Amino acid sequence: RKEVEQDPGPFNVPEGATVAFNCTYSNSASQSFFWYRQDCRKEPKLLMSVYSSGNEDGRFTAQLNRASQYISLLIRDSKLSDSATYLCVVINRNSGNTPLVFGKGTRLSVIA
Amino acid sequence: ETGVTQTPRHLVMGMTNKKSLKCEQHLGHNAMYWYKQSAKKPLELMFVYNFKEQTENNSVPSRFSPECPNSSHLFLHLHTLQPEDSALYLCASSQVAGPEGNTIYFGEGSWLTVV
Repeated sequence: RKEVEQDPGPFNVPEGATVAFNCTYSNSASQSFFWYRQDCRKEPKLLMSVYSSGNEDGRFTAQLNRASQYISLLIRDSKLSDSATYLCVVINRNSGNTPLVFGKGTRLSVIA
Repeated sequence: ETGVTQTPRHLVMGMTNKKSLKCEQHLGHNAMYWYKQSAKKPLELMFVYNFKEQTENNSVPSRFSPECPNSSHLFLHLHTLQPEDSALYLCASSQVAGPEGNTIYFGEGSWLTVV
């Protein structure tokens, strides 16, 4: 099983739709979790951290399920500008020198 | 944002050239990274430096040579590259310990084309 797995998509959704992505991780000792957004031909940018209790930032909600070892990102009322690749990042600070592991990303296309 | 800056943003080089990519971070971080991203492919970690010491070399060919003179600067020296090395090279930095918990910040990247 890969350390961090994401459905590559693409997810094609109409404007205004609600869409959710999951990211599964294999290391139960993982400690920190993030969602990044990467636009075409640009660098990844931090979208939000994922806290154990779940957290919300406007239309975006991130949740962590430790029992099933996955994190999720929910986007409500999708906008055209949400079209991007969404990367999950899992951190295990006990795993030596490279604690960060990136998923391969999920592509979202919001269509008018 | 100017937290992590990379130069040049675009570089075209011949296979026999020697060039360098430069990265500078203004965030007070103690870890710096080079990633490679080829067209429509995921990020590939190349090198990691913690406190100026290289702690990871992810089986990168020797035609890529990193240098980290201090915790704010990172270079990637390029020599006799191949066309398949054409990609976006991303520099990043993070704080190894502390409240940010390894949150990683990327530069805008250097687009490299090898001809």
